Amino acid sequence: EPEVTQTPSHQVTQMGQEVILRCVPISNHLYFYWYRQILGQKVEFLVSFYNNEISEKSEIFDDQFSVERPDGSNFTLKIRSTKLEDSAMYFCASSNLWPWEGENTEAFFGQGTRLTVV
Amino acid sequence: GENVEQHPSTLSVQEGDSAVIKCTYSDSASNYFPWYKQELGKRPQLIIDIRSNVGEKKDQRIAVTLNKTAKHFSLHITETQPEDSAVYFCAASRVMTGGFKTIFGAGTRLFVKA
Repeated sequence: EPEVTQTPSHQVTQMGQEVILRCVPISNHLYFYWYRQILGQKVEFLVSFYNNEISEKSEIFDDQFSVERPDGSNFTLKIRSTKLEDSAMYFCASSNLWPWEGENTEAFFGQGTRLTVV
Repeated sequence: GENVEQHPSTLSVQEGDSAVIKCTYSDSASNYFPWYKQELGKRPQLIIDIRSNVGEKKDQRIAVTLNKTAKHFSLHITETQPEDSAVYFCAASRVMTGGFKTIFGAGTRLFVKA
């Protein structure tokens, strides 16, 4: 079964440093997402990406964050100047074609990258 | 802003009993409602979903209902088993040209006692 893969599984960084979280979405998916889950809390939407541009972002996704699809397979989340409160599990997800055209409307989640800012 | 309320936060049932989790949403543009199961330390996994043009959907022991007028939707698990123990998240999605914008509920921790 195809799956979304994320690397690294765990990243420890010093406050103020930049981190890049990497994701390889499912190959025929066109819509990509990043979510964040602070330990013990709910999953929070950060951003959606389609056709090489951000289609929607939440209030959390400020100038500190950026996303990129540098090649045909990777989708990255960059966090500049990390803060302690950025510590969380970051999930990448991808979904299929325009939902109402296809059978599959599910967003598949990667296994997550646990970011710890110290 | 957009919000999804989920209740209860914790639910403990005896094996074989039913479990019901309820959610309400605020964004009237939401048109897709997935439910995710998350086991400790793992990714959320879709267990069932419902579109806004459908009032009810069932898949074996799991069913969802949607009341668009009241902006309520619910998950029903029948004949619960210990392996159903996990955190369940409801979500309300607005399907856009560029994909989904999904707002999650706070989660319900379900314990199924053997």
